[in-house]
Amino acid sequence: NAGVTQTPKFRILKIGQSMTLQCTQDMNHNYMYWYRQDPGMGLKLIYYSVGAGITDKGEVPNGYNVSRSTTEDFPLRLELAAPSQTSVYFCASSYPTGGYEQYFGPGTRLTVT
Amino acid sequence: AQTVTQSQPEMSVQEAETVTLSCTYDTSESDYYLFWYKQPPSRQMILVIRQEAYKQQNATENRFSVNFQKAAKSFSLKISDSQLGDAAMYFCAGQRRWDNDMRFGAGTRLTVKP
Repeated sequence: NAGVTQTPKFRILKIGQSMTLQCTQDMNHNYMYWYRQDPGMGLKLIYYSVGAGITDKGEVPNGYNVSRSTTEDFPLRLELAAPSQTSVYFCASSYPTGGYEQYFGPGTRLTVT
Repeated sequence: AQTVTQSQPEMSVQEAETVTLSCTYDTSESDYYLFWYKQPPSRQMILVIRQEAYKQQNATENRFSVNFQKAAKSFSLKISDSQLGDAAMYFCAGQRRWDNDMRFGAGTRLTVKP
């Protein structure tokens, strides 16, 4: 099992550009999450999904969009990138919530200049 | 609301010694889960240990153990016989039982001295 994979590993965007961060898991988890980690900080939840076709906002959703068409994939879309979106982005997946371990991808380092 | 606080930005320990990392988790809920995650320089988030709030027994995983004091909202991680590979950022996290929002603390950077 590859677990949770993310692409790309690094990306530099110019202000106003858009991009999609890809996330795929092969553990058949229903629950998937997107977090951002700013320098010197813990992770903050952007969006999550409890299954294909079902998504909901987390703590910091502004400036992002998600979709979930399959169990395996959970892409994160950045529209009109801003310097405040410079961060490391982590995707994670888990069994249904209730304290189950979340399995994290390796992260994407995004810089917006 | 839920708040996770890690008051030690940095800690260091001598190899083979014991170190304790502190965390407090504040929530009005009585049913929740607490976690310690390790983030080495590779950035990969790795679960170290998990505690269920309704269990009185403290969780242990080999050299890692927790001291959970529910009334004091305290959830500390003890690392025994520290090894060089334990050097990393350690994040405390909490999640209410029926919630999808896991909250993380700001982290503690642990250095292990040979």
